[in-house]
Order: sequence, then structure tokens, then C-alpha cells
Amino acid sequence: RKEVEQDPGPFNVPEGATVAFNCTYSNSASQSFFWYRQDCRKEPKLLMSVYSSGNEDGRFTAQLNRASQYISLLIRDSKLSDSATYLCVVIPMDSSYKLIFGSGTRLLVRP
Amino acid sequence: DTAVSQTPKYLVTQMGNDKSIKCEQNLGHDTMYWYKQDSKKFLKIMFSYNNKELIINETVPNRFSPKSPDKAHLNLHINSLELGDSAVYFCASSRRDSYGYTFGSGTRLTVV
Repeated sequence: RKEVEQDPGPFNVPEGATVAFNCTYSNSASQSFFWYRQDCRKEPKLLMSVYSSGNEDGRFTAQLNRASQYISLLIRDSKLSDSATYLCVVIPMDSSYKLIFGSGTRLLVRP
Repeated sequence: DTAVSQTPKYLVTQMGNDKSIKCEQNLGHDTMYWYKQDSKKFLKIMFSYNNKELIINETVPNRFSPKSPDKAHLNLHINSLELGDSAVYFCASSRRDSYGYTFGSGTRLTVV
């Protein structure tokens, strides 16, 4: 079983739509959680951290459910510029230095 | 000013050759990394150095050897390149606690 699992998509949505991505992780002792964004042929960039209390950054909302080992990302009012691959990332308890990436969920926002 | 810069951006080489990829960061971070993104787009850590000391060495063939001359540089040398080494290699750096990760723009290696 992969340490971090995501639906690869693609999710194909019209502009203005709301879209949600999910991610599950296998190690219950994982300590920190993030969503990264990767554009085609570019490096990954931090989108936002994820906290149990839920956190929001503009149109983006992230949520962590430690009991279910589940992380989500909600994007409201999708823009064309949101088209990218969204990577779920976990930091394991045994190493605070390494990021463990999911394989990513591809989002395509159409006009 | 580029925060994490790696060179070259593209590298095409024949099987059996030896090649190096260089990485430099000007963020003052203590920790640097090499990640590999394969053809399935799966990103996985290879190595990490903290203040020139190797702290993470995942299951990577001995043909891959990282070198950190100082905490601002982490180079990756690959011996006897194989077809399966074709991938995008990303250098990254972070503060001590792995927050504030910054990735370089990647080196696309193609072995023919």
C-alpha cells in the first residue's frame, strides 16, 4: 500500500465550479500535512498547510481528519489558472526532514 | 534572484556515461535535498544533507553519490547511467524543521 494515495483524475470542471480532492495516508503517526501544486514541467510549490481545525486561504480550504487518516482540499469558484496537479504531502513522524508525496490529482478547468 | 538553482536544466546522455547535476541555494537554509520524479510523476526523496552531513539516504543505487561542499551546495553525481535513470531530478532546501521547502526548477535527464 502506498504511504499517500490520491485519485489521479483528471478532474475536468468548468470555470466557477467547486471541486474537492481527497487523499489518504497510511501512517497514523504522521506529523504534518500539506497540499502542493505542480504546474506542467515545473517544480512543486507549497499551496497550503493542513490542520485538524481546517484552514482557509481565499478560495482554498484544507481539512485533516486524523481519525480517518484523510486529507481534503476544496477549491471554490475555479479559475482557468487553477489547472495544475495537486499533490498531497505528508511528513512522517520518524523524519521531520522528508516530504512523502502522493502521486497527485490533475485538475483541468475549462472556459 | 533565484532561490534554489540547479544546472543543467536538460541533460541528454548515453547509457554508461557519468554525469553531475549541481544545486545551489541562497536562502540560508540548513538542509538540502534531492528528489526524483519518474515518468509516472511520482516524487520521491533520494538524499538529504543538513549542514553538510548526510541525514537521509533512501534506497538509491550506489551509482548515485551526493556531495555537499558547503551548506549552500548539494551536487548529485551519477555513474554508469542506465535507461531507468531517466527522470526529472529536483533539488530543494528547507529550514531545519522541513517547513519552508523551496524546490529548484528541475533537471530533466534523458538517458538514451
